[in-house]
Amino acid sequence: SQQGEEDPQALSIQEGENATMNCSYKTSINNLQWYRQNSGRGLVHLILIRSNEREKHSGRLRVTLDTSKKSSSLLITASRAADTASYFCATVVNTNAGKSTFGDGTTLTVKP
Amino acid sequence: NAGVMQNPRHLVRRRGQEARLRCSPMKGHSHVYWYRQLPEEGLKFMVYLQKENIIDESGMPKERFSAEFPKEGPSILRIQQVVRGDSAAYFCASSPPSGTGGSGANVLTFGAGSRLTVL
Repeated sequence: SQQGEEDPQALSIQEGENATMNCSYKTSINNLQWYRQNSGRGLVHLILIRSNEREKHSGRLRVTLDTSKKSSSLLITASRAADTASYFCATVVNTNAGKSTFGDGTTLTVKP
Repeated sequence: NAGVMQNPRHLVRRRGQEARLRCSPMKGHSHVYWYRQLPEEGLKFMVYLQKENIIDESGMPKERFSAEFPKEGPSILRIQQVVRGDSAAYFCASSPPSGTGGSGANVLTFGAGSRLTVL
């Protein structure tokens, strides 16, 4: 079964608004990462938060992690049309065992 | 630094033919991962390899699919006797050795993907 599940599946907002996406997972993790995918392209790493961290910032991105609820959120502030993409969370259980497990993603549309 | 290179970008095969997808990891990366993505879905893990070793193939179908990462050359994902259900985008990602590369946290660098269409 999928480790990460994003919510909502799709989100449509106006330019300038904030976008919030949520991710829930099932097992204990070492870290959680957010990736972005433009249509027809590969995924690009955005930000990583470790299990002992609660909040991280990077530019207009803010990520929170609640390990007690096994959930994370990605906030994009002051969205732009160029932020239109799909966003995926990925969990890493064991950094020595390799794999990242991805959710099904949130498709974000930012209208100009 | 060319990043992760995948080829071909697009591949069309008829049912029963073989598909070979290639992936050259980012320079300095020794870990390679293959993922499959169906339209409007997330990425499904297939296999994790290091040079000459398959570390985790828990996501690989038991039949028709195989992967290798030889000492020299790219990683290859091979699908024999393709069926229509194999049509998907196949993404390769690489990461540096554990504990190196700054994060030691399995941050993946993805290729642009190979889109397989089975007629």
